[in-house]
Amino acid sequence: DILMTQSPSSLSASVGDRVTVTCRASQTINRYLNWYQQTPTKAPKLLIYSASSLQSGVPSRFSGSGSGTDFTLTISDLQPEDFATYYCQQSFNTPRTFGQGTKVEI
Amino acid sequence: QVQLQESGPGLVKPSQTLSLTCTVSGGSISSGDYYWTWIRQHPGKGLEWIGYIYYSGTTYYNPSLNSRVTISIDTSQNQFSLKLNSVTAADTAVYFCARETARPRYGTDVWGQGTTVTVSS
Repeated sequence: DILMTQSPSSLSASVGDRVTVTCRASQTINRYLNWYQQTPTKAPKLLIYSASSLQSGVPSRFSGSGSGTDFTLTISDLQPEDFATYYCQQSFNTPRTFGQGTKVEI
Repeated sequence: QVQLQESGPGLVKPSQTLSLTCTVSGGSISSGDYYWTWIRQHPGKGLEWIGYIYYSGTTYYNPSLNSRVTISIDTSQNQFSLKLNSVTAADTAVYFCARETARPRYGTDVWGQGTTVTVSS
């Protein structure tokens, strides 16, 4: 299985901040990397697919980059509704695997 | 737009079989563009991919659950289902059904709201 490692596990930020979350794969996954946002008691929501493509309807303050094994999710101008947990997921092969999550807190 | 809804018992006894169904509305489950997926989340934990099924019936399972899990599809009812046998307390989780774009691989873009399953006697 491909191990996905996110860092940090949690971070504190303020409204208006620029936030960066990193995700590292244990082997190359090309650009088959997706990012999800999950708020408490809700299902995850797809933000970014194929490492850098913004899912329809997602605000442009979310962006993704990277390829191979190292990837980044950036949230510019953090908004109150962005306080949530973020997960990366590889869709290079099966089983699909997720990072452990990064909780963005105030 | 496509919506997914999980249904099934919220309480299952140890050693029995967990059975959930996902009903797809607003679109056809017979589309060759998607994998129909089950994912779970243990209380306070991260996401675990259980497996998915293609409209043709082809399945892929997580090896960690492979011997206990079966995913099936009923195109006439626009539903797909999960069976997990010999459950223990470790199978207590929120179970999500979801849709993953198959070709190209554009992530899991539609999710059900999730259903909580507790394994307890």
